Amino acid sequence: GENVEQHPSTLSVQEGDSAVIKCTYSDSASNYFPWYKQELGKGPQLIIDIRSNVGEKKDQRIAVTLNKTAKHFSLHITETQPEDSAVYFCAANGEGSGTYKYIFGTGTRLKVLA
Amino acid sequence: NAGVTQTPKFQVLKTGQSMTLQCAQDMNHEYMSWYRQDPGMGLRLIHYSVGAGITDQGEVPNGYNVSRSTTEDFPLRLLSAAPSQTSVYFCASQQGNTEAFFGQGTRLTVV
Repeated sequence: GENVEQHPSTLSVQEGDSAVIKCTYSDSASNYFPWYKQELGKGPQLIIDIRSNVGEKKDQRIAVTLNKTAKHFSLHITETQPEDSAVYFCAANGEGSGTYKYIFGTGTRLKVLA
Repeated sequence: NAGVTQTPKFQVLKTGQSMTLQCAQDMNHEYMSWYRQDPGMGLRLIHYSVGAGITDQGEVPNGYNVSRSTTEDFPLRLLSAAPSQTSVYFCASQQGNTEAFFGQGTRLTVV
């Protein structure tokens, strides 16, 4: 079945350093790849997304890259701050089925050390 | 602008009890879904709906029922609670192949 693998499961970085989280997906029909941030006790919130016709997208300190050939996409956070500490989830979706189902990765707990 | 509202936020059930988790959205989204979140396993899809009167199973549907009588509401029913259903449950809504908006979650403990 469809699968999204996410690594690492935990990541600790010093404030100001960069953080990279990587995901791979199995369904070649997937064409929408969102990233969600989940703070303690809250629901996930979208932070950035990318579609399959684009290789890279940036939003201030956050960027996402997509390699469709390798079925691989990554989240890059630069100049990390303590408020970036949270759990991050990648997901893959596809229009082929028409149901817009998401398959989520298992999450990365990011800790930014002050 | 409430977005997606889930109730209750916390619930403790005894094994064998039944209950309904409520979910409502005010964005007129066609697509709604229920996920459960367990440590180390991410978010797993339980059931989803592509519009009023249409529901389908996700990855982990056993032990749960859903219905969609209106665009706004998508309740999740636990028929006979089991300890394995201890989890955090999230409802989400979206319009098409785009951002999903999540509720704040319901933390359920089955003893």
